[in-house]
Amino acid sequence: EVQLAETGGGLIQPGGSLRLSCAASRFSVSNNYITWVRQAPGKGLDWVSVIFSDGSTSYSDSVKGRFTISRDTSENTVYLQMNSLRVEDMGVYYCATDIGNSGYYYIDSWGQGTLVTVSS
Amino acid sequence: DIQMIQSPSSLSASVGDRVTITCRASQYISNYLHWYQQKPGKAPNLLIYTSSSLQSGVPSRFSGSGSGTNFTLTITSLQREDFATYYCQQGFSPPWTFGHGTKVEVQ
Repeated sequence: EVQLAETGGGLIQPGGSLRLSCAASRFSVSNNYITWVRQAPGKGLDWVSVIFSDGSTSYSDSVKGRFTISRDTSENTVYLQMNSLRVEDMGVYYCATDIGNSGYYYIDSWGQGTLVTVSS
Repeated sequence: DIQMIQSPSSLSASVGDRVTITCRASQYISNYLHWYQQKPGKAPNLLIYTSSSLQSGVPSRFSGSGSGTNFTLTITSLQREDFATYYCQQGFSPPWTFGHGTKVEVQ
């Protein structure tokens, strides 16, 4: 069974930095896109970023210039470096993918999520 | 960026009811429209992909339709386990975007 496991969440002060990790099992992050989706407490789903199999990336306007997505193919892990964190960045961060690489960019595999709390 | 306008934001229904949720894209997205169900404390679960294709393991009471900019998710004969929040998502072009969600509550 495909697995995605996020780590790295925690409590951070506004303006601080945090790096989330997404470790993939039973498939290669070189062959699939990996996306990050977040959810603020009691709110809806908010798409954050994606890294495609060719290494290209995309970001939502709300995080562009502050967050960086990258991957280490030897570790089969994707990272989300989050800088200049704001209170509005708080929430559960999920990494996810379309394991079948359909090309339609839906998400059929999700991690369990990691909680980021931004507070002074 | 493509905006996804989902309605209603919430609805009350009873077991056995037929429920319809709509999602409108601010520009053409072909059939790159997907639907998810989310229950509290859980990751979302894919229900429908490419507007009308039923994800494996999802009950046939769920169906989707539409193309271009207007899309619909229908649940025929609502079951107790269907009380949840539903989201649409466009995969046509990044930044990919979700609708704001529809919470289906017990009447």
